[in-house]
Amino acid sequence: GAVVSQHPSRVICKSGTSVKIECRSLDFQATTMFWYRQFPKQSLMLMATSNEGSKATYEQGVEKDKFLINHASLTLSTLTVTSAHPEDSSFYICSARDAGGAGGEKLFFGSGTQLSVL
Amino acid sequence: LAKTTQPISMDSYEGQEVNITCSHNNIATNDYITWYQQFPSQGPRFIIQGYKTKVTNEVASLFIPADRKSSTLSLPRVSLSDTAVYYCLVGDYGGSQGNLIFGKGTKLSVKP
Repeated sequence: GAVVSQHPSRVICKSGTSVKIECRSLDFQATTMFWYRQFPKQSLMLMATSNEGSKATYEQGVEKDKFLINHASLTLSTLTVTSAHPEDSSFYICSARDAGGAGGEKLFFGSGTQLSVL
Repeated sequence: LAKTTQPISMDSYEGQEVNITCSHNNIATNDYITWYQQFPSQGPRFIIQGYKTKVTNEVASLFIPADRKSSTLSLPRVSLSDTAVYYCLVGDYGGSQGNLIFGKGTKLSVKP
């Protein structure tokens, strides 16, 4: 299947700092990428849809000024958690839509980023 | 949005066949059914996708009845490494957001 690379895998930061997470589609072009967050023992929660060359679409309750998304190219989307606080500590996962191949479109996921804010 | 309902958890033993059923009563005509596997602290991994009848690949089979209101993921001869959470998603990606919304998933525990 298609490969989505996500970095860093783990980050620990002080409260008030900003953290950037990168998501790259390595072997396909992704006009649309998605960002999720996941708390322990819970399911993935969609945060926003990232569209190449345009503004991201945020889900209800997700602060767009808090979670800045940039999708500057067909293979790269970034999520920046601004002025991080302990409650932002979570597992963040990106995914990219691959329309290639037979059947329906498929989502391929990055390996996730564990953010810990002290 | 096509909501999905799965059992919260299932237990099995090594070597057994495991069937996980997902209900999606309001699936739309253009929707596909996709299953993902997630290990702790990892992103979900695509397992299999289908539209109707039966689909089989090297790791699983997917059975979809004619009314498409449910689907069953079948894992043959599970091993300890199949212990994970399995998610069923329904949607067409192009328009519906249904496929992007994860339900609670099914936590499969495989015992020796």
